[in-house]
Amino acid sequence: DAKTTQPTSMDCAEGRAANLPCNHSTISGNEYVYWYRQIHSQGPQYIIHGLKNNETNEMASLIITEDRKSSTLILPHATLRDTAVYYCIVRPAGTYKYIFGTGTRLKVLA
Amino acid sequence: DTGVSQDPRHKITKRGQNVTFRCDPISEHNRLYWYRQTLGQGPEFLTYFQNEAQLEKSRLLSDRFSAERPKGSFSTLEIQRTEQGDSAMYLCASSSQTGGPAFFGQGTRLTVV
Repeated sequence: DAKTTQPTSMDCAEGRAANLPCNHSTISGNEYVYWYRQIHSQGPQYIIHGLKNNETNEMASLIITEDRKSSTLILPHATLRDTAVYYCIVRPAGTYKYIFGTGTRLKVLA
Repeated sequence: DTGVSQDPRHKITKRGQNVTFRCDPISEHNRLYWYRQTLGQGPEFLTYFQNEAQLEKSRLLSDRFSAERPKGSFSTLEIQRTEQGDSAMYLCASSSQTGGPAFFGQGTRLTVV
């Protein structure tokens, strides 16, 4: 299974874009990239996922590099409520386990 | 609320007691997962069901732990003879067979005293 590497923590000013990087240099062709976040004492919340193409939904955008070895989650206008731990997960197609690392602790500053 | 529901949200028990947690997945989801999360760590996979069949168990799931999903709907996770090291957040998630992401419940926080 591909492993992911994320920075331990990041700060972002409220109203600015938060760009959270993730390295997954050993990713295989059929492995999806998923992003979840976890606000203190709550269950993980699904944000977005993708395989090859960039994806956008109401919460965020996911930019995957052409070689698929890294990706960036973009929160376009961060708010204080976006303060959370963000997990980047690589999951092979057809499997069911999500292997969480320790994630990036994002703090949005007023 | 049509999300994943877990009960109870909090449980305090004495060491050596048995506890049981319940998870109600999203109604059309046939895949169900249990995870455990300790302070400062990401969630760790415990076990996975497809319908009523338990298809995988992690090595973390010792013989004191048992999970069931008798009719392919709700699931229970039982811990027998609890130990202080069992103190953690127990998370349930579900997903559909057609693919797509897993959605997590709010978890059950277990404290063993």
